[in-house]
Amino acid sequence: AQSVTQPDIHITVSEGASLELRCNYSYGATPYLFWYVQSPGQGLQLLLKYFSGDTLVQGIKGFEAEFKRSQSSFNLRKPSVHWSDAAEYFCAVVHRAGKSTFGDGTTLTVKP
Amino acid sequence: DVKVTQSSRYLVKRTGEKVFLECVQDMDHENMFWYRQDPGLGLRLIYFSYDVKMKEKGDIPEGYSVSREKKERFSLILESASTNQTSMYLCASSKSLGLYEQYFGPGTRLTVT
Repeated sequence: AQSVTQPDIHITVSEGASLELRCNYSYGATPYLFWYVQSPGQGLQLLLKYFSGDTLVQGIKGFEAEFKRSQSSFNLRKPSVHWSDAAEYFCAVVHRAGKSTFGDGTTLTVKP
Repeated sequence: DVKVTQSSRYLVKRTGEKVFLECVQDMDHENMFWYRQDPGLGLRLIYFSYDVKMKEKGDIPEGYSVSREKKERFSLILESASTNQTSMYLCASSKSLGLYEQYFGPGTRLTVT
């Protein structure tokens, strides 16, 4: 069965520091992976996606993610965090039937 | 830009009431989804629809039903609301069956008292 694990429930970083959010997946075939962000009181917005090809993908707001098949991981990174990045982040794998399995989310707090 | 709208941002209902949550998308997407979101539990799929009048149960369909009479509109129905259905409800849509991202509405925070 498909599953997505985000090991960190909550992460706190200082503004300007680098960020890495972890995501591990379990999927029988080639995974198609997404990162979404949810600002307080809002719905989810797509940050980036990986379907195939280059394993380092760029997204919006300066985020990037690296797909590592050997580690079953798709970690999200940002070199310098801004206060406006404080939000909840979700990793997801999409199935061929069009449904997605989401991780439980990681809440990011940014310290001034 | 794809727009997914939900009829209410906040809703307060009494136990036993019938509750309708409406969702509309404006990009001719075939797939529509209803999730509930609770702290520490992530997003859990209630129902989804891949075509008009077609629906499929998700992971937690008990206590809910859905209706999709028109392609752009997907309704979630709580036949008899209970306090354990107090939650954030998110609607989403995607282009079609296949490997497409989902577009989300802003959510409806439902409180059942």
